[in-house]
Amino acid sequence: KQEVTQIPAALSVPEGENLVLNCSFTDSAIYNLQWFRQDPGKGLTSLLLIQSSQREQTSGRLNASLDKSSGRSTLYIAASQPGDSATYLCAVRDYGQNFVFGPGTRLSVLP
Amino acid sequence: GAGVSQTPSNKVTEKGKYVELRCDPISGHTALYWYRQSLGQGPEFLIYFQGTGAADDSGLPNDRFFAVRPEGSVSTLKIQRTERGDSAVYLCASSSGLKNEQFFGPGTRLTVL
Repeated sequence: KQEVTQIPAALSVPEGENLVLNCSFTDSAIYNLQWFRQDPGKGLTSLLLIQSSQREQTSGRLNASLDKSSGRSTLYIAASQPGDSATYLCAVRDYGQNFVFGPGTRLSVLP
Repeated sequence: GAGVSQTPSNKVTEKGKYVELRCDPISGHTALYWYRQSLGQGPEFLIYFQGTGAADDSGLPNDRFFAVRPEGSVSTLKIQRTERGDSAVYLCASSSGLKNEQFFGPGTRLTVL
């Protein structure tokens, strides 16, 4: 059974710092991996999706990498801003359309 | 175009009552997913529809939970004889195409008193 973990559980940084969020999964037979952002009391907003054949995806200040063989993905946020404060979730999809989410990393960017 | 919408945004009910939660997916999206999210945790998969049929309902916790998507668009999650442990945010997502990127609705917060 696929299990997804995320570290750290929470992170607090000063504005302007570059930071890395980690996602690990136990079964490397994945179809894709998706990173989401969730603001308090809100639904999930898709940030980046990496197909199993890809190594990384970039969108603005965000860069996500995927290493299937080691069961890891990282989300890199450059020049963090207070507006980046949210919970970041990764989700792994297998070939059977099952999506498994990690517990999330709660990020606070202090002005 | 419009994103995924869910109604109601909040639902408070008493233990033992029946509730229905509605999801309107993005127009044209063939796949629809229901998740349940408890405080401080990631979403937990409940059921997945491809078109009108439930392709995978392995995440439904017990037979009190049921979902339908009769015309391949709007879906309703039905919970019978609600229990306090059913209190959570119920999220709906839809996707389409090979990438299957999921787009989520704002969720319905269910509180069972």
